[in-house]
Amino acid sequence: GENVEQHPSTLSVQEGDSAVIKCTYSDSASNYFPWYKQELGKGPQLIIDIRSNVGEKKDQRIAVTLNKTAKHFSLHITETQPEDSAVYFCAATSPLSGGYNKLIFGAGTRLAVHP
Amino acid sequence: DVKVTQSSRYLVKRTGEKVFLECVQDMDHENMFWYRQDPGLGLRLIYFSYDVKMKEKGDIPEGYSVSREKKERFSLILESASTNQTSMYLCASRPAGLNYGYTFGSGTRLTVV
Repeated sequence: GENVEQHPSTLSVQEGDSAVIKCTYSDSASNYFPWYKQELGKGPQLIIDIRSNVGEKKDQRIAVTLNKTAKHFSLHITETQPEDSAVYFCAATSPLSGGYNKLIFGAGTRLAVHP
Repeated sequence: DVKVTQSSRYLVKRTGEKVFLECVQDMDHENMFWYRQDPGLGLRLIYFSYDVKMKEKGDIPEGYSVSREKKERFSLILESASTNQTSMYLCASRPAGLNYGYTFGSGTRLTVV
């Protein structure tokens, strides 16, 4: 069935460095790719998303790239700060009957930014 | 500030109990979802609802049921709780339409003993 693989599972960087998290998806019909940040004790929060008609999107220190041919998308965080430490999830849409869809999530990446 | 509110942050229940997890959203969203989150497995879809009175099975519906009598409220029911249902449960909602991100609640951490 449909699947989203996410790597790495853990990532440790020094403050100011860049962090990259990569995901691949299996369903060629996927057309929407959100990224979520989950801080301790909280629910996941949408931080950026990209649609299949766009190759790259940027919002301040966060950017997402999409390669539809390779079924691959990535999250890039530049100039990391300690408050970026959290678990990050990628997701991709999977079509359902009736024109609806659901999100399939990756297993998550625990990012630690050290001062 | 728009919200998805889950009624309990922490719950401890006994094996065999019937458990109700409640979720309320104030954004007039049509779609609502229940996921469970387990380490190394990410988020897995239990049930979802496109609108009032509608419900659809997700990827892991066994042992669960849902109720959506009002648009703003989506309840997850564990018919007879078991220890393998110990998990973090997350409720989410989104507007109707194909490509919108979810808004999640803060989660309910359920322990079944």
